[in-house]
This record gives sequence, structure tokens and C-alpha cells, in this order.
Amino acid sequence: ETVLTQSPGTLSLSPGERATLSCRASQSIRSNSLAWYQHKPGQAPRLLISGAYSRATGIPDRFSGSGSGTDFTLTISRLEPEDFTVYYCQQYATSPRTFGQGTKVEIK
Amino acid sequence: QLQESGPGVVKPSETLSLTCTVSGGSISAYCWTFVRQAPGKGLEWIGSICNIGNVYTDYNPSLKSRVSVSVEMSKNQVLLRLESVTAADTAMYYCASGHGSNDHWGPGALVTVSS
Repeated sequence: ETVLTQSPGTLSLSPGERATLSCRASQSIRSNSLAWYQHKPGQAPRLLISGAYSRATGIPDRFSGSGSGTDFTLTISRLEPEDFTVYYCQQYATSPRTFGQGTKVEIK
Repeated sequence: QLQESGPGVVKPSETLSLTCTVSGGSISAYCWTFVRQAPGKGLEWIGSICNIGNVYTDYNPSLKSRVSVSVEMSKNQVLLRLESVTAADTAMYYCASGHGSNDHWGPGALVTVSS
């Protein structure tokens, strides 16, 4: 099983600042089969990025993904008020699919 | 669109049955996934079913002996069964499209295991 470790656990930033979220895998993820989701309380998770760097339909361009192998990053270039919530990475290269434990982006 | 429906409350040791109704498109020739989130916890992948030619299922080993996912083509529904539930199975259960990344999700159904 591929274990995903997200860091930091909590990120305290102000609106307008840049957020950098990390996702590290216990083994190399082939074909960049890594996704990022945004999850707000009371709502379904929302796909932001697939294939490590491809934005999903309708996702603002302030969200970007990068990385390969075992190290991946989600960057939010300028935080908007609605961006303060929890983010998960997920690998879908191998079974079982696994999620990271999440990073909470909170208002400083 | 995806919509989960379930019992709300299930007694310990009984079977949880959850239905995901898909509207706006056929469930055939595509893959469908169930994910859950226990209170205060992160997301957990339960399993997927792909209905592309042959039917293929893929389950989380931590649940494999208790879980099954199937499709009801006539009703355009995807079905989740989880046997011998305990309090640890209390969670919000989501269905989503896809077996890789999941681009469409239902709003979720809360299932509580309690006597």
C-alpha cells in the first residue's frame, strides 16, 4: 500500500498569501497518478488537480500542482477567503487507492 | 449527478446497504467509487466498480472481507454493502465517478452504527 504523508498538518496564512502544500509518497507514483481535492465541511470533496498538474474543469488558475515520483505540491498562489479549508492528496496508481491525512489551511 | 441514499442508522453486526443513484448519464461503460469519512478523520477509499465490457471490482483490503459493490443497470444505481458493521463504520459515505481521480461526487449520506 502506498502511504501518502501530507505536510504541514495545519497552515496558518492570511488572504492574499501563497500556500504551499506537500504530499510525499512511500513509493514512487507511476504516471503521475496523483490528485488533489478540496473538502469543505458539509460538502462533497471537490477535485482540483489530476495527473499531478492538470486542473479539473472550472478550477481557478490560482490552484496549481507540481511534482513527480514521490514528492508532490499543491500551490495556491493568492488565497481567497473561500480557500480556507482542508486539502487531500490521493494516489490512484496502485490499489488500494490511498489518501493523505489532509492539510488544513486556516486564517492567520 | 450522484445521490446517495441509505438507512441513516444501522445496528451493530448488521449489514449497511447504500445506494448511489446516477442521473444525467448511464452508469454503463464507466467506473464508480465509494469513499467514506469517519467523524474527525480523513478520507478513506472503500472500493470501486468498473462496468466496461466485463465488470471489475477493486476493494480496500482493510474492508475486503466485508464489502461488496455492484450495479443495478435497470435503475442506474451503484450499490454498496458492508457486512458486520461496528461503531468504527460510522461515517459519511460518498459515491463518486471514476476509478482513478474522482471528478463528480454525491453530497454524501451519514450512516451511524448504533443499537
